[in-house]
Amino acid sequence: DAGVTQSPTHLIKTRGQQVTLRCSPKSGHDTVSWYQQALGQGPQFIFQYYEEEERQRGNFPDRFSGHQFPNYSSELNVNALLLGDSALYLCASSLFSVGLAYNEQFFGPGTRLTVL
Amino acid sequence: GDSVTQMEGPVTLSEEAFLTINCTYTATGYPSLFWYVQYPGEGLQLLLKATKADDKGSNKGFEATYRKETTSFHLEKGSVQVSDSAVYFCALISSGSARQLTFGSGTQLTVLP
Repeated sequence: DAGVTQSPTHLIKTRGQQVTLRCSPKSGHDTVSWYQQALGQGPQFIFQYYEEEERQRGNFPDRFSGHQFPNYSSELNVNALLLGDSALYLCASSLFSVGLAYNEQFFGPGTRLTVL
Repeated sequence: GDSVTQMEGPVTLSEEAFLTINCTYTATGYPSLFWYVQYPGEGLQLLLKATKADDKGSNKGFEATYRKETTSFHLEKGSVQVSDSAVYFCALISSGSARQLTFGSGTQLTVLP
């Protein structure tokens, strides 16, 4: 089992550009969540995808968008990059949580995005 | 909204020392509580969890007890090893939503031989 994989590992962009990050979930998982981890901070929830739809969203602007494919893999897109978007972007996969039941989220190693 | 507050780091200990990392939370209802660990260059790994008051989570010698009366979930280990050096995050899942983890800011632990 390869676990959660993310690509690329590192990325350098300039302000105003657009970026796409990719995530493949752990085998058997159908849900992907994305988190932003600024340097020295804890991860912050961006959104979660299940059945190719955004199911929940954190407090992030519309510049952050995502997509989930039929094979459950996912992309995170960020438009009009700002210096403050520099962070480690973490993908987590799980089985979809219904109601109050919590299913463990397994994290990938992250993509380090630097915006110059 | 939900929030998690962790003790300021970094923390530096000698091998075999006792470890405590404090964590307190604010949340509506009855959240589930977690400790995650992040080793250099790796993703977050779930270390332990507790889903209701007075539950004790434990794993790899680490323990934490869900204290509803003090809204706390402090992490402890009786004898740390060099291999425990990592960043530790306290987190919660709100009872209102089982999908979104809320994390503290993390505590960097360095254990010296």
